[in-house]
This record gives sequence, structure tokens and C-alpha cells, in this order.
Amino acid sequence: DTEVTQTPKHLVMGMTNKKSLKCEQHMGHRAMYWYKQKAKKPPELMFVYSYEKLSINESVPSRFSPECPNSSLLNLHLHALQPEDSALYLCASSLELKSTDTQYFGPGTRLTVL
Amino acid sequence: GENVEQHPSTLSVQEGDSAVIKCTYSDSASNYFPWYKQELGKRPQLIIDIRSNVGEKKDQRIAVTLNKTAKHFSLHITETQPEDSAVYFCAASMRRGSGGYNKLIFGAGTRLAVHP
Repeated sequence: DTEVTQTPKHLVMGMTNKKSLKCEQHMGHRAMYWYKQKAKKPPELMFVYSYEKLSINESVPSRFSPECPNSSLLNLHLHALQPEDSALYLCASSLELKSTDTQYFGPGTRLTVL
Repeated sequence: GENVEQHPSTLSVQEGDSAVIKCTYSDSASNYFPWYKQELGKRPQLIIDIRSNVGEKKDQRIAVTLNKTAKHFSLHITETQPEDSAVYFCAASMRRGSGGYNKLIFGAGTRLAVHP
């Protein structure tokens, strides 16, 4: 398996809902990332996990809560989101956290917050 | 600070022509430079990358050049085809923190349109 997969593909939620985004890879990668991408903009880093430990939080609001249950899975728990949080949420993985390791992206979850 | 500038923001070419996209970066410690192609509604897909120990890399119709002294790198697409139409992002990878994590700083993107 040489891909990063994400579910769901699309998600619509109200501001009071709680939902989760899921990401999975079976490439043996030990670094995993969450990015947010607004229309016509580049991906923007949110969180980085290395060996299942949170390495970086790019000052993301607490209504986004990441979780890495094991080396293949990465979740993003969403609670009390705002309409401006509507975006494409991309997961990525790389072999490790070395600066020369290639990051491979999943297809993304398109999130709409009403 | 961390910054990658990308030009042009839009590029329109005729099928068969060449396309060139240029990026400059600010951090001289950057050592890895990937290029991603993103079609509408799809994931960013790596098309080519270059590490700082080489100056040029080619893969069929796609090539990337790196000038470390000037801190710029470029994507060259020859014999363009309509299926090359997409948004292209350059990025520079930087090591940050005592743990040395891998952060990609992206350019703003170039929307390439190839007309038949």
C-alpha cells in the first residue's frame, strides 16, 4: 500500500457538533501531519506527529484536537467549530521527521461548517 | 523569517510550449525542495523534488534546477499537454527545533493553463 487514505471525503457539520476526521497509511511512515487548505491557498501546517507523539502544534485553536492511536492512524477531533474553519483538511506522512523526507498527501476531507 | 515566494501566480501557454515557474526562499538552511501538482478537488501530488546537494534533476518532461547561492529554484515543463493544467506549489523544507522536525514552507502557487 503506497497511499495515504482519509475519511470521510466530505463532511458538513453544525457549530455545536463533534466529529472526527481519520487518516491512515501503511507505508511504515513514522511522521504524520495535519494540514488545512483554504481555496486558492497553499496547505497550512497544523500538527506534526513523530513516532506517535505530538511534536508540533502550530498554535492551532483547541477546538481542533489531534490524536495518533498507533503508527498507521491519525485522527483529528473537531468540536465547536466556526464557519471560517471550513476548508480542505489534508493528512500527510513521511518516513521520518528528517527535513529531506518526502511528504505524501492524502486526498483530503472537505469540511463545511454551517 | 520563513518565506517562499513563487512566480508567476498564473501562467497560460499553448500546448507544446514550455512552462517555467520560479521560487525563491529565505532560509539558507533549507535543504529539500519538492514540487507538488494539485488538480481541482484533488490532493497535492509530488511531481519532482531536489535536495541541496545537487543543482539539477530531470524526469521526462519535467526538470528542476536549484541555485543555492541565489536561494532560488525553478520548475521547467517541456512539451506541455492539456493534462498539465493544474496548480503547482513549490516548497522548501526546513529543520526546526531541537527535535529537528520537518516543516514544509509552501509558495503561494501557480495556476497553469495549457490550451490545446
